[in-house]
Amino acid sequence: AQTVTQSQPEMSVQEAETVTLSCTYDTSESDYYLFWYKQPPSRQMILVIRQEAYKQQNATENRFSVNFQKAAKSFSLKISDSQLGDAAMYFCAYRIKGSGTYKYIFGTGTRLKVLA
Amino acid sequence: KAGVTQTPRYLIKTRGQQVTLSCSPISGHRSVSWYQQTPGQGLQFLFEYFSETQRNKGNFPGRFSGRQFSNSRSEMNVSTLELGDSALYLCASSTQPGTLYEQYFGPGTRLTVT
Repeated sequence: AQTVTQSQPEMSVQEAETVTLSCTYDTSESDYYLFWYKQPPSRQMILVIRQEAYKQQNATENRFSVNFQKAAKSFSLKISDSQLGDAAMYFCAYRIKGSGTYKYIFGTGTRLKVLA
Repeated sequence: KAGVTQTPRYLIKTRGQQVTLSCSPISGHRSVSWYQQTPGQGLQFLFEYFSETQRNKGNFPGRFSGRQFSNSRSEMNVSTLELGDSALYLCASSTQPGTLYEQYFGPGTRLTVT
């Protein structure tokens, strides 16, 4: 089965501290892409970071970075120097090509609270 | 450039009714995808349209249908509404399907079925 698991329904982090959100996935496909999306309380979901499965180097976008462990099928998101604006729901997702079509599979999300 | 817009933003319907939701993609984007978001299930993929053709479909019953117009605007229809259809319905657009291109999401339509 193709699944994405985010085992932490909710996380809290102190402002300026670092937090890591976990994500594991299950797929038998070899060609896929991984994403972290952020959904602030206003509900407009935006892409935070993406990783191509064939690349060994972990993706980085400013304060956001991932720890991609392909063999373990793990894709965690690290947020450094947390800011109040980072408070949101974070969704892990992967996009695969199966049966000739592309599919997005999302996790159930992790709600991140940033404490001042 | 304007973002993805969805109308209406909020909707209340009763069981058995049908509903139509609308999505206007970013100008130049030809691919539109629909998702259902619920607290327990997260985001679940409904379907994807490109050039007025359904290119991909999730595991939803036939009560859920969609279409895309020549200007890339898309509509989603749910017939014979059930209480379990209450959810946030998100639309996302991208330049084309089946690639790494990121999706741009709209604000969603909150559907409540009573």
